[in-house]
Amino acid sequence: DSGVTQTPKHLITATGQRVTLRCSPRSGDLSVYWYQQSLDQGLQFLIQYYNGEERAKGNILERFSAQQFPDLHSELNLSSLELGDSALYFCASSGASAGGGYPGETQYFGPGTRLLVL
Amino acid sequence: AQKVTQAQTEISVVEKEDVTLDCVYETRDTTYYLFWYKQPPSGELVFLIRRNSFDEQNEISGRYSWNFQKSTSSFNFTITASQVVDSAVYFCALSERNNAGNMLTFGGGTRLMVKP
Repeated sequence: DSGVTQTPKHLITATGQRVTLRCSPRSGDLSVYWYQQSLDQGLQFLIQYYNGEERAKGNILERFSAQQFPDLHSELNLSSLELGDSALYFCASSGASAGGGYPGETQYFGPGTRLLVL
Repeated sequence: AQKVTQAQTEISVVEKEDVTLDCVYETRDTTYYLFWYKQPPSGELVFLIRRNSFDEQNEISGRYSWNFQKSTSSFNFTITASQVVDSAVYFCALSERNNAGNMLTFGGGTRLMVKP
């Protein structure tokens, strides 16, 4: 158990809908990351937050947004869902080193949320 | 741009065989970090090892060992005396020092099947 929790574990929804995925980082970790794992794209970085602020952005669609709250949990919002958004979405967190969230910190992954868009 | 290549998409071995998973990376950065993760059939991603670009020492942890060679930009992973429980998808990943954050770039993964 990595200590990172994600809810829900599974989500089935229809095209055009909006969903929210939730992540709680390991105790003490200030950085939260979101990744998407799909069959055609593999594992792709979406976005990183550090202590409530956006730190880095990857190939995240405009229909997707994220935030990190004062209690450090994070939410990933996916809207206007398309069939191609079906994937496993991982949250990861990393350690609270000074000015943290920098390269080299080991990221610990949650169990993922499996999203199926019908 | 950073890139990680795992040329072996699938490997099948019989229990107790040794197996090496290859990882080749590309980066323009002189400081970078390499990782291996395991994804068992249950789906979670489990951290195995982290290496920085200044440390080329090979590492051994039980049946697992890692060979880091900067000259060939490779970070290969060997499982000795494989077991059925080693069956999983293994990912190699790279993080560059010059990134604004700490994004990981993953290889495509190698599916390892260990047969009894």
